[in-house]
Amino acid sequence: GAVVSQHPSWVICKSGTSVKIECRSLDFQATTMFWYRQFPKQSLMLMATSNEGSKATYEQGVEKDKFLINHASLTLSTLTVTSAHPEDSSFYICSARIRASGANVLTFGAGSRLTVL
Amino acid sequence: GIQVEQSPPDLILQEGANSTLRCNFSDSVNNLQWFHQNPWGQLINLFYIPSGTKQNGRLSATTVATERYSLLYISSSQTTDSGVYFCAAAYSGGGADGLTFGKGTHLIIQP
Repeated sequence: GAVVSQHPSWVICKSGTSVKIECRSLDFQATTMFWYRQFPKQSLMLMATSNEGSKATYEQGVEKDKFLINHASLTLSTLTVTSAHPEDSSFYICSARIRASGANVLTFGAGSRLTVL
Repeated sequence: GIQVEQSPPDLILQEGANSTLRCNFSDSVNNLQWFHQNPWGQLINLFYIPSGTKQNGRLSATTVATERYSLLYISSSQTTDSGVYFCAAAYSGGGADGLTFGKGTHLIIQP
């Protein structure tokens, strides 16, 4: 079946550094990918929609300059958390849309757990 | 945007029991999915069910689109069914909208 691979699965960094998270569709092409954020014991919140070859669309309240998204190919989207601070510590999950038999099923990566010291 | 509400927020059952999880949504949808999030955070897609009924083993789901709710049934619960169950929905005219998630139901199955 369709697989979304996310890397790294966990990362610890110092405050002020930048961290890049990769999201790959392994056996299908994804013109659109989505980035979510989940705080402990809370739901998933959509951060942005990543569009291949164009600018990402950010949800209200999400800082574009803090969370840089690049979708340079049909199989790869990256999320860069710039100048990370402890409040950016969270679980980041990407997803991609699979078009099968006219359905628009979203499949998710395994997530990346970011801890900023 | 669409609002998604799930109930109950927490559910504790004995192994072997049946359970029903509910998801209400505020507007028309053309995408509704049920997920199980395992302890490591991985979201497992259970059902894509914007309308109708589907079954997969001990799990089944029904969405009544006209009344804006969906139900997830788990029969003969096992301890491995424990975890958080999320309902997520979207109305996507061009197929490019992300899912809005409910707050989830935390299910604990006791042996």
